[in-house]
Amino acid sequence: QSILTQPPSASGTPGQRVTISCSGSSSNIEINYVYWYQQLPGTAPKLLISKSSQRPSGVPDRFSGSKSGTSASLAISGLRSEDEADYYCAAWDDSLSGWVFGGGTKLTVL
Amino acid sequence: QVQLVQSGAEVKKPGASVKVSCKASGYTFTSYYIHWVRQAPGQGLEWVGIINPSGGSTSYAQKFQGRVTMTRDTSTNTLYMELSSLRSEDTAVYYCGRGQGIGAAGTLPDYWGQGTLVTVSS
Repeated sequence: QSILTQPPSASGTPGQRVTISCSGSSSNIEINYVYWYQQLPGTAPKLLISKSSQRPSGVPDRFSGSKSGTSASLAISGLRSEDEADYYCAAWDDSLSGWVFGGGTKLTVL
Repeated sequence: QVQLVQSGAEVKKPGASVKVSCKASGYTFTSYYIHWVRQAPGQGLEWVGIINPSGGSTSYAQKFQGRVTMTRDTSTNTLYMELSSLRSEDTAVYYCGRGQGIGAAGTLPDYWGQGTLVTVSS
């Protein structure tokens, strides 16, 4: 069972806006930055959002991250078929003194 | 361009050890930390630990302490992760990734290796 909780699945139609949640606690999300990764089958994760809301160079502005209290969210606007992938959140956990990941959310573009 | 190239797939018996390598290029080797993250088949990502290539200091996830050892060779810009006392649950793809800093002040990887499949089977 993962320290950070994500819905196992999400879906949307092309052009739609979807949001993926990540729930944590006072020892991780509430006090530390959140990271979001996209992973296509058989490939390494790709960094989408760093430090809760920063987009690395090359990541489309359709992707955005936010954080409030012990929860964080990844929003994808203008959904495209190539966005179909697994998405993971992660944060440093002060109690565990280690990085923790969510269980991942499989996004399906209908 | 930044590249992290990992060693090939391994098959090990329970109780054995495995050593995975990660060769870095395209950036200053000692300026970035290297994380190791694993992913069991059909499962999520799990942080194993981190090494500072500059001085060799390490920090491991509590779950792996006593079984994992991370080292580096500055002459070849190569990082290593050795996991001992292997069991079937260690079957996973192991990734190395480049980050900055350690702990809460650090960052998770922006670049990753291609992954190394380690299979533990009798």
